Amino acid sequence: AQKITQTQPGMFVQEKEAVTLDCTYDTSDPSYGLFWYKQPSSGEMIFLIYQGSYDQQNATEGRYSLNFQKARKSANLVISASQLGDSAMYFCAMREVFKAAGNKLTFGGGTRVLVKP
Amino acid sequence: NAGVMQNPRHLVRRRGQEARLRCSPMKGHSHVYWYRQLPEEGLKFMVYLQKENIIDESGMPKERFSAEFPKEGPSILRIQQVVRGDSAAYFCASSDAGTNNQPQHFGDGTRLSIL
Repeated sequence: AQKITQTQPGMFVQEKEAVTLDCTYDTSDPSYGLFWYKQPSSGEMIFLIYQGSYDQQNATEGRYSLNFQKARKSANLVISASQLGDSAMYFCAMREVFKAAGNKLTFGGGTRVLVKP
Repeated sequence: NAGVMQNPRHLVRRRGQEARLRCSPMKGHSHVYWYRQLPEEGLKFMVYLQKENIIDESGMPKERFSAEFPKEGPSILRIQQVVRGDSAAYFCASSDAGTNNQPQHFGDGTRLSIL
């Protein structure tokens, strides 16, 4: 079974609008962390936002926020006020603390976002 | 630049040659991770190292691939007798601790092409 599932291979979004990128995960580990990374066409991986499994509040970082629904095992990324520079691949990743040395990240397949002017 | 440094950025090898990819972690980071990314796919974990120790190599192919993180110098991912299927982007990441909420910071990757 896939540990991280991103069901949207690609999305268009109008500039200045908000966009939600879906991410569902599968783990039996009681302690885990969820991460979102951005990969622009230049190829580098840029850390965006983190959510811990025990965090009570949804994480926010500037225009990025994470809609964390623990019971549904989802951690959707919301980008508000989209900009042309947001066009990129976005990856959701999970770290399971107690399993497998606890440090490796498991990535989803990614969602490509294209922001239209 | 105090970020994760990978070199070379691009590497071309012929089948059967060896490829050596280098990674210097962020200053103060002692945990290094290697990932591989095939075109249009997510990153796949390969190996996790601390200084002079391999902690988790569950994602490493059993043959031809090896990794090290010596006491001095960068971490090295070595691929012997490369084949076409080794063509991919190889990313190194580092973190300053093994705790849950520390993000891994990535280098810009090495794009390996096998002729």
